[in-house]
Amino acid sequence: GAGVSQTPSNKVTEKGKYVELRCDPISGHTALYWYRQSLGQGPEFLIYFQGTGAADDSGLPNDRFFAVRPEGSVSTLKIQRTERGDSAVYLCASSKNRGRQETQYFGPGTRLLVL
Amino acid sequence: KQEVTQIPAALSVPEGENLVLNCSFTDSAIYNLQWFRQDPGKGLTSLLLIQSSQREQTSGRLNASLDKSSGRSTLYIAASQPGDSATYLCAVLPYSGSARQLTFGSGTQLTVLP
Repeated sequence: GAGVSQTPSNKVTEKGKYVELRCDPISGHTALYWYRQSLGQGPEFLIYFQGTGAADDSGLPNDRFFAVRPEGSVSTLKIQRTERGDSAVYLCASSKNRGRQETQYFGPGTRLLVL
Repeated sequence: KQEVTQIPAALSVPEGENLVLNCSFTDSAIYNLQWFRQDPGKGLTSLLLIQSSQREQTSGRLNASLDKSSGRSTLYIAASQPGDSATYLCAVLPYSGSARQLTFGSGTQLTVLP
């Protein structure tokens, strides 16, 4: 079956621009997560959705970052007024949400470069 | 705040060698610990998940151990192969409440030379 997919795979933008990153979770997975991975580092948690609602957005670094999941499936991470420090790989993961022990399945990521 | 450290940052071994990757965490109140593999340009693949009540998990040539009280985990890879070359990440899930966010280490970049 299909895994988690993310589009675009690469995104180059200029400082100050707005970007949207898309995540398609595994079909039937109700939990969805966004992480950010800087070069040479492990992923850092951004936000977690249960269905349509953000259950935990404590990892979002500031109010320039926002994520939605209007129908409980596809999610979009939105970054306003991008800064060079936003350059990173943005990873999405999903899980079945049958319990906290459920494995999170990761997508290939979107590589964002802010010039 | 939970901190996860992985040593070494990089490791190069000849094919066939057995090896151990180390992971340490500062807060022992964890729900579980996972080891992931990350290939260049790819997402993360879960290798092993150890619940906090367990001591070890095995899958094929991989064996992961957990010593929660000392805040340590090891990933043992037997008879390494060039195809094992990748970055290996460990991550912990906090015990508190319904928290779902994983805290990752920075990874160990493994190269297995043919």
